[in-house]
Amino acid sequence: GDSVTQMEGPVTLSEEACLTINCTYTATGYPSLFWYVQYPGEGLQLLLKATKADDKGSNKGFEATYRKETTSFHLEKGSVQVSDSAVYFCALSSADAYSGAGSYQLTFGKGTKLSVIP
Amino acid sequence: ETGVTQSPTHLIKTRGQQVTLRCSSQSGHNTVSWYQQALGQGPQFIFQYYREEENGRGNFPPRFSGLQFPNYSSELNVNALELDDSALYLCASSLDSPLLGYGYTFGSGTRLTVV
Repeated sequence: GDSVTQMEGPVTLSEEACLTINCTYTATGYPSLFWYVQYPGEGLQLLLKATKADDKGSNKGFEATYRKETTSFHLEKGSVQVSDSAVYFCALSSADAYSGAGSYQLTFGKGTKLSVIP
Repeated sequence: ETGVTQSPTHLIKTRGQQVTLRCSSQSGHNTVSWYQQALGQGPQFIFQYYREEENGRGNFPPRFSGLQFPNYSSELNVNALELDDSALYLCASSLDSPLLGYGYTFGSGTRLTVV
């Protein structure tokens, strides 16, 4: 079945440091890949997504590239801020992004807690 | 847009009891999914409803059931509660395919504690 493995946390960085959170996946076919962020006491928010190989998702300075050859979707940011402190989840869906065929369910990794200190 | 609203925010139940959690989808969204998030874990897919019919289910026993109403609000019902059911329950809505556009909109969840 589908699975997502992301690096264990917690991760603590100083403000303006570089961030990389590794994510690898196992899935059939050509899944869509996502990064979600969860701030304390809130639900999940979509951070970025990519629906086919070599696509790069980006948002709020975060980036991730869909690498089919390494089945990876690592999250990166060049300079983190205190406001980036949250839990980050890598996720996939095996449904076809354009035809809608397949289940829309998301398979999540366990999450990586990021703390950014001033 | 009003977002996704879940109620109640917190709930304590006794083992063996039944519970109903509610979700009001974002305006215009016709697809709703429920997820269970245990402490320190990623969300696990319970099931999904599209236009009032279940069209996907995760690895959860039948005592987990749901409904979606014509106004696209929904309920998650859990019978015969077990201690392991203690978790954050998340509702997510989308318009048709959540893989396009902005995908799912998640609510803030209901924290269920079973004692």
